[in-house]
Amino acid sequence: QKEVEQDPGPLSVPEGAIVSLNCTYSNSAFQYFMWYRQYSRKGPELLMYTYSSGNKEDGRFTAQVDKSSKYISLFIRDSQPSDSATYLCAMSLRITQGGSEKLVFGKGTKLTVNP
Amino acid sequence: DTGVSQDPRHKITKRGQNVTFRCDPISEHNRLYWYRQTLGQGPEFLTYFQNEAQLEKSRLLSDRFSAERPKGSFSTLEIQRTEQGDSAMYLCASRPSGSSYEQYFGPGTRLTVT
Repeated sequence: QKEVEQDPGPLSVPEGAIVSLNCTYSNSAFQYFMWYRQYSRKGPELLMYTYSSGNKEDGRFTAQVDKSSKYISLFIRDSQPSDSATYLCAMSLRITQGGSEKLVFGKGTKLTVNP
Repeated sequence: DTGVSQDPRHKITKRGQNVTFRCDPISEHNRLYWYRQTLGQGPEFLTYFQNEAQLEKSRLLSDRFSAERPKGSFSTLEIQRTEQGDSAMYLCASRPSGSSYEQYFGPGTRLTVT
């Protein structure tokens, strides 16, 4: 079993739909929970992060973490064609030396929003 | 452009050849990371530098791989005797010290081994 599980999709929705993306994880040592967006042939860019259980909202995006269930979600409201991309969940794990973290990613979910 | 830059963007090489990639992090970011992303997968951590010191290496980083950050600025990743299984996107990320946790990714170098 991988540390982070994410349904790769693909997911296709009409413009204006609410999108729900999810990941589960098994490692209780994960500290930060993040969602990255990756357009084709580009590097990932951070969308949202959370540290504790609960919801965090930023415009049309809401990130949700449930540490007791080891489950995180990203909701996109009023989805737009420009939201079409691969969405990667990522979780930070402390690196032994240097006081930093490495990221453990899910496989990514490919989302297409149709006009 | 003040983001992370990587060079080359795409490299095609024959099996058995050596390749070297370069990453220029965001200025004054003292933390630098290399990840590898294969088709249909998320990025996987390879190695981490704080300034010029390489502090963490993944078991994915076999003896054929070596990374350096000689002056604590740019970094290079070299793969010797490339194999077809090395074909992937190699991503570099950087981060400042302090409380910020966000890793800023570059556009990646896509390696194709024929």
